[in-house]
Amino acid sequence: DAGITQSPRHKVTETGTPVTLRCHQTENHRYMYWYRQDPGHGLRLIHYSYGVKDTDKGEVSDGYSVSRSKTEDFLLTLESATSSQTSVYFCAVQGGVGYGYTFGSGTRLTVV
Amino acid sequence: DQQVKQNSPSLSVQEGRISILNCDYTNSMFDYFLWYKKYPAEGPTFLISISSIKDKNEDGRFTVFLNKSAKHLSLHIVPSQPGDSAVYFCAASFGNEKLTFGTGTRLTIIP
Repeated sequence: DAGITQSPRHKVTETGTPVTLRCHQTENHRYMYWYRQDPGHGLRLIHYSYGVKDTDKGEVSDGYSVSRSKTEDFLLTLESATSSQTSVYFCAVQGGVGYGYTFGSGTRLTVV
Repeated sequence: DQQVKQNSPSLSVQEGRISILNCDYTNSMFDYFLWYKKYPAEGPTFLISISSIKDKNEDGRFTVFLNKSAKHLSLHIVPSQPGDSAVYFCAASFGNEKLTFGTGTRLTIIP
């Protein structure tokens, strides 16, 4: 267990409002990732980080931004939430067995 | 463009029998492949992996096979148990870079 905590676990927000999801890890892993899970799409990469202040875009980054000012925290911000961003969001860290990732428990976000 | 595909959204298998989950990929640059298992309301958990230099890897009841010429991998679970009921994702990466996931297969083990 890589000690990953995602907060909040559930959130309902209104269209057009900004939302920030937090991923916190306790084991000093360098690589951190944000994915979203949607039916029929599996897990898709939003943004990732290779270190403090070192981030890059994934395949579905439009409408999202990230920040990593400390090794342990990786924040995902929806700048102006839309209904298409209703999803389950997972944070992951690089580590554990082989090249595998360790995932957090997820944040279920509903945009109304 | 879906680079990793799981064409079976669901699969039902009798307890004790073999479960075979399939995955196809299109990017020949992928050199590492993984399977993850996911229960409802939890994050995916790592199950087993295989490097492109191998064609088989076993871990207890779980075996992953890789056919590079066909760009196909499969996960065999034998014998299948009720606790194996979950969604299974295959994933691929190149050079230990970010993982690309398939769409998942929901496995149901029938007692």
